[in-house]
Amino acid sequence: GEDVEQSLFLSVREGDSSVINCTYTDSSSTYLYWYKQEPGAGLQLLTYIFSNMDMKQDQRLTVLLNKKDKHLSLRIADTQTGDSAIYFCAADNDYKLSFGAGTTVTVRA
Amino acid sequence: EAQVTQNPRYLITVTGKKLTVTCSQNMNHEYMSWYRQDPGLGLRQIYYSMNVEVTDKGDVPEGYKVSRKEKRNFPLILESPSPNQTSLYFCASGTMSSGANVLTFGAGSRLTVL
Repeated sequence: GEDVEQSLFLSVREGDSSVINCTYTDSSSTYLYWYKQEPGAGLQLLTYIFSNMDMKQDQRLTVLLNKKDKHLSLRIADTQTGDSAIYFCAADNDYKLSFGAGTTVTVRA
Repeated sequence: EAQVTQNPRYLITVTGKKLTVTCSQNMNHEYMSWYRQDPGLGLRQIYYSMNVEVTDKGDVPEGYKVSRKEKRNFPLILESPSPNQTSLYFCASGTMSSGANVLTFGAGSRLTVL
């Protein structure tokens, strides 16, 4: 099956940009996704990108996709305390979604 | 309100005692799926269903059963739970009509098997 890997922790100062990185193994993945999980809650979709795109911007969020290297990143501009959460990268393979282990982002004052 | 509802949210049980975690969605989604979340492992897919009466194994199906008799419901059955099934379980539903498999997740069910 598909392997999706991401670093486990990121600490960032409030107001700075956060960059979360992810790699995946299946080059046939059509869509790549970013989900956010706040404490005690389920996952919520943040954004997704089609594999023939290399960038997508949505307000404070920028997704970069390097399909050749199978590398995906999520940049959060002007990080706020409400951005503290676990962020999951996911890649699809037919009708299956494979998730990474999640990156815990801690925003410090 | 569009949502995925799981019950129970918390459960402590003993080895071997059959249990069912229910999942219901009100969005008329064709696709439903169960995941388990374990520290350091992220979400792993247990089973998924493309539509009524159609179910398929995910990455970690051993020890679990599912059924999809109605479009809105997708229960997860543990016939004989074991301690290694202690985990946080999420049900999700989605539609593939736009191409992307955008999932709506339930709030999670924390299961402890003693």
